[in-house]
Amino acid sequence: DTGVSQDPRHKITKRGQNVTFRCDPISEHNRLYWYRQTLGQGPEFLTYFQNEAQLEKSRLLSDRFSAERPKGSFSTLEIQRTEQGDSAMYLCASSFEFGIGELFFGEGSRLTVL
Amino acid sequence: KQEVTQIPAALSVPEGENLVLNCSFTDSAIYNLQWFRQDPGKGLTSLLLIQSSQREQTSGRLNASLDKSSGRSTLYIAASQPGDSATYLCAAPGTALIFGKGTTLSVSS
Repeated sequence: DTGVSQDPRHKITKRGQNVTFRCDPISEHNRLYWYRQTLGQGPEFLTYFQNEAQLEKSRLLSDRFSAERPKGSFSTLEIQRTEQGDSAMYLCASSFEFGIGELFFGEGSRLTVL
Repeated sequence: KQEVTQIPAALSVPEGENLVLNCSFTDSAIYNLQWFRQDPGKGLTSLLLIQSSQREQTSGRLNASLDKSSGRSTLYIAASQPGDSATYLCAAPGTALIFGKGTTLSVSS
């Protein structure tokens, strides 16, 4: 297993455009998490899935953000009508189901909104 | 609501020094705590996971301790090397893992 993979690694877009990020978790992990990280800050929780069910969403996840995990495998995070404040690193992590076990992160997708 | 604080925010040491990074958390009803390393522009690498039943966890030159009663964890790095230069993040369970802002470590040769 190659760990958590994220695509694309870098995305530059103009304000108002839509962007989508993909995350492939470690195959046997039931839980999948999305975080956002800005410069000098720790990662901030956005949302998480257990299998295909989205169980928790942070208040940071505005209506312009939507996440899916069809069939409980890979996940996508879409940002509609991007704003400059959306510029950040978007991190995906996965873990086993029991409680919040050890989290394993991908390399992240860096978004720059011009 | 879980809040995690890390002190110091930055630390510079010469190669070979032993050092301690501090992490405090507000909700002590945790079942584990995790330490991560992050290199610039990269994702997070898990270093150590301490279960609430443990007081310490060791991996190579790294040793992490957990004191739930005081809401504190420390990461001890022995004989620091330039390759240890990175940001070290502590995370405790809340709604999901809640992170501190990290300690940026610079080890000079």
